[in-house]
Amino acid sequence: KAGVTQTPRYLIKTRGQQVTLSCSPISGHRSVSWYQQTPGQGLQFLFEYFSETQRNKGNFPGRFSGRQFSNSRSEMNVSTLELGDSALYLCASSITAKTNEKLFFGSGTQLSVL
Amino acid sequence: GENVEQHPSTLSVQEGDSAVIKCTYSDSASNYFPWYKQELGKGPQLIIDIRSNVGEKKDQRIAVTLNKTAKHFSLHITETQPEDSAVYFCAASNTDKLIFGTGTRLQVFP
Repeated sequence: KAGVTQTPRYLIKTRGQQVTLSCSPISGHRSVSWYQQTPGQGLQFLFEYFSETQRNKGNFPGRFSGRQFSNSRSEMNVSTLELGDSALYLCASSITAKTNEKLFFGSGTQLSVL
Repeated sequence: GENVEQHPSTLSVQEGDSAVIKCTYSDSASNYFPWYKQELGKGPQLIIDIRSNVGEKKDQRIAVTLNKTAKHFSLHITETQPEDSAVYFCAASNTDKLIFGTGTRLQVFP
């Protein structure tokens, strides 16, 4: 079974631009969560989607948004990029949306904002 | 809301020695405590987890202990090997959210 696939692997943008990141979960997994990873801050929860509905959202500004499609694939979008948005963005999938379930992470998208 | 503190942020040990990473959580309703290992260039991977009705769990060289009264849990790695070098994250969840600690970078020197 293929793992969680995130594209692109690396991305370089300039301030003010917008970016879209993609995540394909493991086949059969209906929940996708997104995390921002920065040095010293660990994994900060962005949002979670289950069956095309956003179930939970972290403490990030409205510039961060996401969606999930009927095939469970998910995208996240960051508009009006700021230097502080430079980070590794990880997506994780699981079978259900239960918080006590194992998460399967992708390798992430490394975003650099110049 | 839930807050998870993790210590130390970096840990260096000699091959064969033991390593201990500690986490504390704030929400007494938390009932699930997983540990994830992140190797360079990869996403985190679950290595062991414990639920609130259990005090200790072992899997070969790794073990996790949970003290619900004190609201802290720990990861123990015995007989460390160079391939144990990675960043380790603890996490705590209730029925609402899974919150991660800030990570511990473990370096095992041959």
